[in-house]
Amino acid sequence: EIVLTQSPGTLSLSPGDRATLSCRASQSISSTYLAWYQQKPGQAPRLLIYGASSRATGIPDRFSGSGSGTDFTLTISRLEPGDFAVYYCQQFGNSSPYIFGQGTKLEIK
Amino acid sequence: QVQLVQSGAEVKKPGSSVKVSCKASGGTFNSFAISWMRQAPGQGLEWVGGIIPKFVTANYAQKFKGRVTITADNSTNTVYMELRSLRYEDTAVYYCAKDDSWGDGYVNGRFDSWGQGTLVPVSS
Repeated sequence: EIVLTQSPGTLSLSPGDRATLSCRASQSISSTYLAWYQQKPGQAPRLLIYGASSRATGIPDRFSGSGSGTDFTLTISRLEPGDFAVYYCQQFGNSSPYIFGQGTKLEIK
Repeated sequence: QVQLVQSGAEVKKPGSSVKVSCKASGGTFNSFAISWMRQAPGQGLEWVGGIIPKFVTANYAQKFKGRVTITADNSTNTVYMELRSLRYEDTAVYYCAKDDSWGDGYVNGRFDSWGQGTLVPVSS
């Protein structure tokens, strides 16, 4: 089964900073099926990025995704106060349909 | 705009069962693929299983096979998840979420709409 490992576990930054979050797969995966979510406390996750680099509806262009094979990145170019949350990557595959990474907590420094 | 509304919180005893509902509005129910995820306190997201209502047959994570049943009622646009033989470690918020289905059961592989979550504490 594919394992998604996110790093760092916690990222401490200030508003206005640039955030770079990593998601590494234990084996090569299709970028078509790599997504990123944001989850704030007490809320359901929200889809940010799908297909590794396409923004979901209503997601500002401060959020961007990139990567292929086993290494994927979510970048937030200029952090706003509402961006501090937990971020999950997720992949879809036939053998184990939906797998999530363990999450990266983005906190205010 | 698809909206998923889940049933309310339920406190359960070890060994009992829980059945959580997820009612969809907006969009075309027959083109949905609805999954259930859970999130234990302070933990990440875990896929439990899912169903494409058009095809009726559900698919489950290996960890939950034999203990979970996911069904769909096309007349009310509602999907249900029943988890049996509850253990303390099943304490979690359970979410339903929508993927899109097309053709002979293909899906987009991502969740673009989520329910609000249902808290299921397992406690004696």
